Amino acid sequence: QSALTQPASVSGSPGQSITISCTGTSSDFGGYNYVSWYQQHPGKAPKLMIYDVTNRPSGVSSRFSGSKSGTTASLTISGLQAEDEADYYCTSYTSSNTSWVFGGGTKLTVL
Amino acid sequence: EVQLVESGGGLVQPGGSLKLSCAASGFTFSGSAMHWVRQASGKGLEWVGRIRSKTNNYATAYAASVKGRFTISRDDSKNTAYLQMNSLKTEDTAFYFCTREKGAGGYFDYWGQGTLVTVSS
Repeated sequence: QSALTQPASVSGSPGQSITISCTGTSSDFGGYNYVSWYQQHPGKAPKLMIYDVTNRPSGVSSRFSGSKSGTTASLTISGLQAEDEADYYCTSYTSSNTSWVFGGGTKLTVL
Repeated sequence: EVQLVESGGGLVQPGGSLKLSCAASGFTFSGSAMHWVRQASGKGLEWVGRIRSKTNNYATAYAASVKGRFTISRDDSKNTAYLQMNSLKTEDTAFYFCTREKGAGGYFDYWGQGTLVTVSS
């Protein structure tokens, strides 16, 4: 199972907005809206930021939003803050072989 | 408060075995599907496998990279999930996280802090 494709790195200045893409195949996303996004700071466990493409768990800032078009999902962070600097991973359930696949991860640098 | 605490990691030789545990609290463990996800040093997250609840016949699923070598089980009376790892390879060296599955599409809403498995001679 190939990983979903994410850019290795993105950067932005405080206050700006950035978007991280996550590209798969039709079998990866399976026509479902089951993409989720995770934030991971160094040495820490991942944290759920977005689920089912667009939903934010309680406690996650509204600066984080998700979307999906075709076989590309996106995570947008608006009003960048220093604390947003972390690695971000997308993942999706793949019905074809009952498995989950992660993106390779994107390192966000806040300049 | 939901807590997931992994244990059992350590140093093991190639070809050896190790069993990880994930102790859960703060939620109805018996009704939840549980997953294992691993991360090699400096690398990305890799899904390892999943076990569903008794209602779903404890169905398991595994990544191709571990299928036939790793086995996930659970003891609902102890609120604990397990990852039995056999025929370990150096490329299995990683932090292993357990995580709770939520929702129809299976996202991971709670994660443990991970336990380190090192496979080396």
